[in-house]
Amino acid sequence: DIQMTQFPSTLSASVGDRVTITCRASQNIIRWLAWYQQRPGKAPKLLISKASTLESGVPSRFSGSGSGTEFTLTISRLQPDDFATYYCQQYNSNVVTFGPGTKVDI
Amino acid sequence: VQLVESGGGVVQPGRSLRLSCAASGFTFSAYATHWVRQAPGKGLEWVASISSDEVNKYYADAVKGRFTISRDTSRKTMFLQMNSLRAEDTAVYYCARDPGFLERIFDYWGQGTLVTVSS
Repeated sequence: DIQMTQFPSTLSASVGDRVTITCRASQNIIRWLAWYQQRPGKAPKLLISKASTLESGVPSRFSGSGSGTEFTLTISRLQPDDFATYYCQQYNSNVVTFGPGTKVDI
Repeated sequence: VQLVESGGGVVQPGRSLRLSCAASGFTFSAYATHWVRQAPGKGLEWVASISSDEVNKYYADAVKGRFTISRDTSRKTMFLQMNSLRAEDTAVYYCARDPGFLERIFDYWGQGTLVTVSS
């Protein structure tokens, strides 16, 4: 199975900051990578697919980039609603795997 | 789009449980669906997927041979039959919709149902 790693595991930031989360795959997944946001006690929300395609309704301050084995999620100006845990997910194979998550807190 | 899970609860190790996911607000037969779980305080773990035509089914190694995914298109409902449950199966189980036949991403999620495996 393809293993996913994320760093940092926790990120402390302030409103207005630019934050970047990195996700690495154990093998080439081309651009088959998605990002999700999960707030405490809530279901995850799909933010980005195909490494950089923003889902409908997702604010433009979110962006994704990368290909192959290394990917990033950037939040250009952190807003109060953005304090949450973010997960990457590869879907290059029938067995999909998530990263361990990055918690963005104040 | 709405997905509503049910069937969770407390069950003893070795016993069985069947989860349901009732879908509404979209053409159920046109979309694949999935189960994803989250152990308390832990990350997300994909469990199983079923294609929109119900032909293709995939499972995580951790549940293969014990869990069975299925759908009833006439009832717009997906199921997860869980047998031989273990303590490590304790989690919130989410059902999720795929944006297509089997793209293997999850664009809509239910609220989750908690399964606790304990004696």
